[in-house]
Amino acid sequence: AQKVTQAQTEISVVEKEDVTLDCVYETRDTTYYLFWYKQPPSGELVFLIRRNSFDEQNEISGRYSWNFQKSTSSFNFTITASQVVDSAVYFCALWGYRDDKIIFGKGTRLHILP
Amino acid sequence: DSGVTQTPKHLITATGQRVTLRCSPRSGDLSVYWYQQSLDQGLQFLIQYYNGEERAKGNILERFSAQQFPDLHSELNLSSLELGDSALYFCASSSPGQGNTGELFFGEGSRLTVL
Repeated sequence: AQKVTQAQTEISVVEKEDVTLDCVYETRDTTYYLFWYKQPPSGELVFLIRRNSFDEQNEISGRYSWNFQKSTSSFNFTITASQVVDSAVYFCALWGYRDDKIIFGKGTRLHILP
Repeated sequence: DSGVTQTPKHLITATGQRVTLRCSPRSGDLSVYWYQQSLDQGLQFLIQYYNGEERAKGNILERFSAQQFPDLHSELNLSSLELGDSALYFCASSSPGQGNTGELFFGEGSRLTVL
């Protein structure tokens, strides 16, 4: 069975600090996709990134970066120079070929303090 | 605006009652997903439909059922409601070419409160 674990339930940092959100996954599949979604206070989930299991290259998009390591089954998300607008709940998600379902972790609530 | 529409946005009802949540996917999307978000369980996958057919099932209770209609809108029916069913119910859709590996577009959710 597939599983996504986001061990950090809640994190608070002061604005401009860097912060890393952890995501550890379990799957039997060799073909799978990993995702991150953001849920701001307004409530609607917004897609941030998708990564397939054959592409371990790290990705950077502005202040956001993602570190995918198959050896540790992790797909961590780093926000550099955090801003108050980054305050949200962040979800990591997994799709595996055999299960063919997209399952989410329990989310990490991030507070960026001014 | 994701293009996914969910109604109602808020719903308050009593235990034992039945409610129907409605979802209209983005234009052209064939897949509809239902998720339940509660404080302690996070975002739980309930069920997925693709072009009218059930495609995948998650932790959906027997008291819950769903369907997708020929016009591709979907309804989630919750019956014999219990206090623990209070949650935010999200609908999402995805592009036909992406399948389950693509981006999900979420609606704003329907917040159900069972008293």
